[in-house]
Amino acid sequence: QLQLQESGPGLVKPSETLSLTCTVSGGSISSSPYYWGWIRQPPGKGLEWIGSIYFSGRTYYNPSLKSRVTISVDTSRNQFSLKLSSVTAADTAVYYCARTFGGPYFFDNWGQGTLVTVSS
Amino acid sequence: DIQMTQSPSSLSASVGDRVTITCRASQSISSHLNWYQQKPGKAPNLLIYTASTLQSGVPSRFSASGSGTDFTLTISSLQPEDFATYYCQQSSSTPFTFGPGTKVHIK
Repeated sequence: QLQLQESGPGLVKPSETLSLTCTVSGGSISSSPYYWGWIRQPPGKGLEWIGSIYFSGRTYYNPSLKSRVTISVDTSRNQFSLKLSSVTAADTAVYYCARTFGGPYFFDNWGQGTLVTVSS
Repeated sequence: DIQMTQSPSSLSASVGDRVTITCRASQSISSHLNWYQQKPGKAPNLLIYTASTLQSGVPSRFSASGSGTDFTLTISSLQPEDFATYYCQQSSSTPFTFGPGTKVHIK
C-alpha cells in the first residue's frame, strides 16, 4: 500500500526558506505515469497546488509561486522535496505531498499533511 | 489561470438525503475535473476523476457528471460519514486549481 509522509520543520522564520521532504513507501517514485506534487492549505481555507515533479526531474510550478519554489526528486531515497524561499506569514499552511496520476492529473494518494507556521 | 467556483458554499442535510454540489470552470475544461472529500484534520481523498469515474474503493452512492464548464457531484443517500467538505479540481491546464469547497453539515 502506497504511503507518503511529509517531514520538516514546523516553524520557519519570515524571509527564510521552508524545506519539506516527502518520503514514499510501498511503491517506487520512478513508476510511470506518476508525478509527485505539493499542495498547501492555509488554516481554514482552500487548497492551492504548488507544483509537481516527474522522476526524470521535469517540473511544473504554479506561476504564483514559481519565483520562490524549487521541487526536486531523489530516486535513490524514494523522496521528493519542496523548498519555498522568502516566506511570509501568508505561507503558513498545512503542506501536503501527493501522488499525481499523469495525464488526467488527479491526486490519488496524499500524505497526512504537515503544518508549517511562519513566525519570528 | 482557470477559476473554479462551487455552489453552494455550504449546505445542511439529513442522513438519507440526496445531495448535489455544482462546480463551474471559468473556461471549458472538457472532462478534466476531479472531486475530493476532506474531513477535518485529514488530507483530501479522491472520489471521482475525469468528471465521472469513481475512484476504486469509493462507495457507489457517489456519482458525478458534466463536461465543458459545468459539473455536478451527487450523493444519492447521505451517510453519517459523508459530512465533510468537497472540492472540485481542474486538471485541464496548469496551474491546477481547486474550487473553494462545499461544506456539508448535519441538519
